[in-house]
Amino acid sequence: KNEVEQSPQNLTAQEGEFITINCSYSVGISALHWLQQHPGGGIVSLFMLSSGKKKHGRLIATINIQEKHSSLHITASHPRDSAVYICAVVNNNDMRFGAGTRLTVKP
Amino acid sequence: EAQVTQNPRYLITVTGKKLTVTCSQNMNHEYMSWYRQDPGLGLRQIYYSMNVEVTDKGDVPEGYKVSRKEKRNFPLILESPSPNQTSLYFCASSPTGLGGTEAFFGQGTRLTVV
Repeated sequence: KNEVEQSPQNLTAQEGEFITINCSYSVGISALHWLQQHPGGGIVSLFMLSSGKKKHGRLIATINIQEKHSSLHITASHPRDSAVYICAVVNNNDMRFGAGTRLTVKP
Repeated sequence: EAQVTQNPRYLITVTGKKLTVTCSQNMNHEYMSWYRQDPGLGLRQIYYSMNVEVTDKGDVPEGYKVSRKEKRNFPLILESPSPNQTSLYFCASSPTGLGGTEAFFGQGTRLTVV
């Protein structure tokens, strides 16, 4: 069993829909990162969380340390949100990654 | 512009021919790290460095070397590349470490070893 599990693996949505991507982990962590990987391959950091909730524009990330679970929400999704979203957990600067969720938003 | 720069972006080489992939950041970050990304295996950490002259192994360090002689540079060295090191490689940096600050990634280096 992977230490970091993401669901779903693939997600197709219509423009404007509310999107939720989930991440569960089985190890103790000091932080959790949400990353976005574009079709060209580049990786961008969206959020770094150690507790609670963060919001940036249409993106919201939450983490529940007790339940070892995090969610990434996208409100009013747009085709430009199409990308792979990766959850990564950190323990003592050792970073472990989920397999990623491939999101496709159709116009 | 604040950035992490990797070179080269693409490289095809032959088995056994030593190569270096460079990584440089202009943000005065203490922490730098290397990852490889493979289909079906996702991203895995190779090495990381908390500061100058301080490096540690990640999940998959075999076949790789790193050095951190200057704060801004963190090269990845493959002394004798093999085909199983064909992969997409990313360098990243962070102000003080991934446990408290966000990560900044380079553009990636696609390496093919034949």
